[in-house]
Amino acid sequence: EDQVTQSPEALRLQEGESSSLNCSYTVSGLRGLFWYRQDPGKGPEFLFTLYSAGEEKEKERLKATLTKKESFLHITAPKPEDSATYLCAAPRSNTGNQFYFGTGTSLTVIP
Amino acid sequence: ETGVTQSPTHLIKTRGQQVTLRCSSQSGHNTVSWYQQALGQGPQFIFQYYREEENGRGNFPPRFSGLQFPNYSSELNVNALELDDSALYLCASSLQVPNTEAFFGQGTRLTVV
Repeated sequence: EDQVTQSPEALRLQEGESSSLNCSYTVSGLRGLFWYRQDPGKGPEFLFTLYSAGEEKEKERLKATLTKKESFLHITAPKPEDSATYLCAAPRSNTGNQFYFGTGTSLTVIP
Repeated sequence: ETGVTQSPTHLIKTRGQQVTLRCSSQSGHNTVSWYQQALGQGPQFIFQYYREEENGRGNFPPRFSGLQFPNYSSELNVNALELDDSALYLCASSLQVPNTEAFFGQGTRLTVV
């Protein structure tokens, strides 16, 4: 069964304390791995797409990496404004942009 | 360039009633998808519309239905509301290019009492 699983469910970090979020997937014929950020009560905001093992992408304090079975979102020296839920997703099919989402990691960065 | 907009932002309905949620897609996007997000969960794919026709459906019953209009805006209709339908309903627009990102609206919070 196609599935996207994220860990941990919640993470509390001190400001400046780096860490990583994990996304593992069992989607056959992976066609991209997507990371989104979601603030409370709002829709997900697109961050990155990774298409092949070994690929890396960066945006400010965030860096996403991809292996054949999982993806990591590394957060370097986080700030309180990085507090959000981070979702990863994989396409359900090759006909469009229909996604399986994980349940997310809720990140809290404490000043 | 305008983003994805949804209306209303909040809604309270009684069990058994029907509800219609609306979405305007991002300028230039021709595909609209709808997702249901229960509290503490990730979004679950409901269905997608392209060229005014359903283009894929998740594991949701037929009482969840939709429309897409010539201007690419869309509606989600839910009949015979159940308490478990309480959730954040998200609309996402994209191009009909496989495996590219979708852009989400702010969602409609539906509460069924």
